[in-house]
This record gives sequence, structure tokens and C-alpha cells, in this order.
Amino acid sequence: NAGVMQNPRHLVRRRGQEARLRCSPMKGHSHVYWYRQLPEEGLKFMVYLQKENIIDESGMPKERFSAEFPKEGPSILRIQQVVRGDSAAYFCASSRNPQVPLHFGNGTRLTVT
Amino acid sequence: KNEVEQSPQNLTAQEGEFITINCSYSVGISALHWLQQHPGGGIVSLFMLSSGKKKHGRLIATINIQEKHSSLHITASHPRDSAVYICAVKGPNTDKLIFGTGTRLQVFP
Repeated sequence: NAGVMQNPRHLVRRRGQEARLRCSPMKGHSHVYWYRQLPEEGLKFMVYLQKENIIDESGMPKERFSAEFPKEGPSILRIQQVVRGDSAAYFCASSRNPQVPLHFGNGTRLTVT
Repeated sequence: KNEVEQSPQNLTAQEGEFITINCSYSVGISALHWLQQHPGGGIVSLFMLSSGKKKHGRLIATINIQEKHSSLHITASHPRDSAVYICAVKGPNTDKLIFGTGTRLQVFP
């Protein structure tokens, strides 16, 4: 019974490139959350998705960032035209419903050079 | 001022000591989470609570809704407890979490 799987574990991109981060939730979990942890800072909510729907994207920058959770396949967090300030650890978490504890992935560490 | 404040920011202890980490919040909540982030970066959910007290092994979490305060206690601490402990709250009309900045705990043998 695999946990939340995130890949890649580490991602290096040059300024201006695109970054695609993947998250496969635990089996049976239809609620996915993305969080960002900037260096030396706390975690910040980005977006909450249920299958095929964005429920709350209030924490996501309006430009360059997008997220999806298709009917089939993993949730994807996409960052276009990355800048140095996007360097951070991006964590995905999933749950069966919002009233139960979350299960976190190990994160994707994005470095923009 | 952050909506979720943790204290202390850093904590060192000798193996076997009793540890308390505090979390105060300024918003109405429907639930409070305690998380553990290992040195390698992975995050584990320890507790989710909305009232009273929960216990799991050597870990105990309590919450006082009236005082908007929660504590995480570790009994008989061990070096493997060394990690960052994070408090996070969920508001009543939202599913997003607001995080504290974490308490870095180091337990020495």
C-alpha cells in the first residue's frame, strides 16, 4: 500500500524553463493538496484539488503556476518560465476526505539556476 | 503577527527528558494538526485534533479551544525524535492549512 508518491525528488531548471511536478495520491484518496516550503520558511498552502476540480487555489501565484488532477493519472503542478524565487520544496498531501489526517509525500526540491 | 505561533523555535534536550512544544493561534479553527518533518525533509502527520487530548506511544497532543492553544508533549525523548515539529490549523470554512514556522528539536544521547 504505497504512500503519496512525488517525483522527481530533485529537479533543476534554468531560469525561463518549465517545471512539472507530479504527485500520485494514496490509493482511494481523491483530495490532493500542494504546499510550498521556501528556504528557511514555513509551509504555505498553494492549491486544493479533487478529481478533475480545483477547489481552492487561493495560495497559488496568479501567473506562471497551474495545477491539475485529471480523472486518470497523477496530479501535476506546473510552473512556467521559472525564476530563482521559485526554488523551494514542493509537497503534496492527500486524504480520503477533508476530515481525516493528511498523508504527505517526500516532496520535490526545485532548484532554479 | 503570524496566525499560528510556535514556541520555542529551537529546543535541545538530553535523552530521556520530557519535551513540550507549544502552539498558539489567533483564528477560529475546525481542526489542528501536529506534523513532524525529518532531517531528510519528509513530513509525517502525528495528530489531528479538534478537542481534548490524543496519545500515540510517547507522544501526547492537547488542545484548549477557549484559549486557542495546543501542546505537543514527548515523554522519554530519544535522539530519533530529533526533527522539526510543525503545528497547522484549519479554519471552519476552508480546507487549507495555516502553518506555524516549526520547532526544531534536537535530542542528544
